[in-house]
Amino acid sequence: EAEVAQSPRYKITEKSQAVAFWCDPISGHATLYWYRQILGQGPELLVQFQDESVVDDSQLPKDRFSAERLKGVDSTLKIQPAELGDSAMYLCASSLPRDRGPYTQYFGPGTRLTVL
Amino acid sequence: AQSVTQLGSHVSVSEGALVLLRCNYSSSVPPYLFWYVQYPNQGLQLLLKYTTGATLVKGINGFEAEFKKSETSFHLTKPSAHMSDAAEYFCAVSSSGNTGKLIFGQGTTLQVKP
Repeated sequence: EAEVAQSPRYKITEKSQAVAFWCDPISGHATLYWYRQILGQGPELLVQFQDESVVDDSQLPKDRFSAERLKGVDSTLKIQPAELGDSAMYLCASSLPRDRGPYTQYFGPGTRLTVL
Repeated sequence: AQSVTQLGSHVSVSEGALVLLRCNYSSSVPPYLFWYVQYPNQGLQLLLKYTTGATLVKGINGFEAEFKKSETSFHLTKPSAHMSDAAEYFCAVSSSGNTGKLIFGQGTTLQVKP
């Protein structure tokens, strides 16, 4: 069964350092999402791509976060510089493009970030 | 704006007992509703979803949920809890009018006692 791949699974960094997370969606899925999940809370959308285009980045802290999906396949989320409050699980999800109604979002295993 | 409220951050049941996890939503347009399960240090797995049609939705692992528009609810149930059901459960809402973005509730931790 096809899965969303993410790496690394765990990342420990010091504040002010740069970190990057990688996501490879299920083959053929044009829509890719990055969510942030703070411990004890539900995931919140950071950025959504349709192919290589950003369709929603309204909750992305653009002063320190950036995301790209250059060829419309895999994606990278970067934080620079990392802050203590960025400690969270970063989840990637993918789905088929929406024509009518939402398609199921399939989630990867996540990257657990700890900022010291 | 859409929102989801999950009543009870922790629910504890005995093995074999009924599981009931509550979810209420707010949406100005017809909602699409989802339940996901998350095991420790893992991603989210879809249990079931409601889009249109039959309001009683059956999912994986014996779970089901009923969409009640008049009560703006989408509660998750399972007749008999199993130890392997212990996990975090998230209710989420999406609408046909947006990009498919999911709005999640705060989650409910289900504990199953032997």
